[in-house]
Amino acid sequence: QSALTQPRSVSGSPGQSVTISCTGTSSDVGGYNYVSWYQQHPGKAPKLMIYDVNKRPSGVPDRFSGSKSGNTASLSISGLQAEDEADYYCCSYAGIYTFVLFGGGTKLTVL
Amino acid sequence: QVQLVQSGAEVKKPGASVKVSCKASGYIFTTYGITWVRQAPGQGLEWMGWISAENGNINYAQKLQGRFTMTTDTSTTTAYMELRSLRSDDTAVYYCARAPGRAPNWFDPWGQGTLVTVSS
Repeated sequence: QSALTQPRSVSGSPGQSVTISCTGTSSDVGGYNYVSWYQQHPGKAPKLMIYDVNKRPSGVPDRFSGSKSGNTASLSISGLQAEDEADYYCCSYAGIYTFVLFGGGTKLTVL
Repeated sequence: QVQLVQSGAEVKKPGASVKVSCKASGYIFTTYGITWVRQAPGQGLEWMGWISAENGNINYAQKLQGRFTMTTDTSTTTAYMELRSLRSDDTAVYYCARAPGRAPNWFDPWGQGTLVTVSS
């Protein structure tokens, strides 16, 4: 099964908002409410930002939010800050044969 | 605090095997699972598998079936992954991460990563 589809890059200025999309199929994103998002700074391990589509772990700023419509999930970041510049990966449970799929990753640049 | 600490970098020849450990602390090991994810140089994240320390269930990525094994040692709260018949395209940073004990629905936190280099 193919990876989930994300834009290669997005950008925004400090204070602005950006949205990163993650498109799958009815067998993964559309079929389960188990979408998660990870932030990865260069040379660092990924960090969980959103789980179960729209839940934030403790410690993650409420500037980060998640949603889903049909087969597409989205990560929105409001009030962009310099430290938000990183790679972002979506991830979805994909059933009992494929189990887990990651997106290809999106590079967020804060201008 | 919840923490996962992985073993150090490895250099292996093609055809060899590698075993990476992941020592967990700060939570009840047997109520969660562990997932393994790898990242080739300059590439994205690739899910490898999940093992539940709660009930022993194991899920492997189809691509790695047959040459990838995950285990846990509840007495030392350590998870292990072994990858056999290594090829050059197995060169990657390998991460472990805590996951739910019932299904691989989210991964938090992650270990620091272990670089495995496969080269003749």
